[in-house]
Amino acid sequence: GAGVSQSPSNKVTEKGKDVELRCDPISGHTALYWYRQSLGQGLEFLIYFQGNSAPDKSGLPSDRFSAERTGGSVSTLTIQRTQQEDSAVYLCASSLVREETQYFGPGTRLLVL
Amino acid sequence: AQSVAQPEDQVNVAEGNPLTVKCTYSVSGNPYLFWYVQYPNRGLQFLLKYITGDNLVKGSYGFEAEFNKSQTSFHLKKPSALVSDSALYFCAVRDPRSNDYKLSFGAGTTVTVRA
Repeated sequence: GAGVSQSPSNKVTEKGKDVELRCDPISGHTALYWYRQSLGQGLEFLIYFQGNSAPDKSGLPSDRFSAERTGGSVSTLTIQRTQQEDSAVYLCASSLVREETQYFGPGTRLLVL
Repeated sequence: AQSVAQPEDQVNVAEGNPLTVKCTYSVSGNPYLFWYVQYPNRGLQFLLKYITGDNLVKGSYGFEAEFNKSQTSFHLKKPSALVSDSALYFCAVRDPRSNDYKLSFGAGTTVTVRA
């Protein structure tokens, strides 16, 4: 079946602009995660959605970052007033409720000039 | 708190030789452990996991890993490496007693298999 999809695959933006990154999880997966992969920081957890529960936002680095998940499926990660240090690959993953394996999308490579 | 250490930034082996990528973890209780592989400009691909049961876990592409509780390790192994195994490998851990499902990843190990 189809895996996790993310769009865009690449995004170049100017400092100060807002960006939206989209994630479409595997059908039927109720858990959705966002991670950030950057040089020197490795893979960082950002935010986690589980069904209709309040998301775990404990990994978001600043209040410029936000995410939502509509209808328990597609998720959008929004970065406001982007900074150069936001440049990274943003990875989305999904999993079944009781299934421990997280399946990752191909990522969105963000470059802030 | 949960954490993972991958002590080697790089591992270089000749094709046909055994490959080992090391991972140690820190978790209060019994861990859930995972290995992922990342090819250039690609997302992470799941290789294998340990949840419970047999300490030797077999996964995709001929990889296996052994859970060692006394040494808090979960090393990834392949008996005979291929050039196509060259990639970035991540070990990850989750504490099943926590209320969330987020994974903590190691820094990654770059594997280079030379022909």
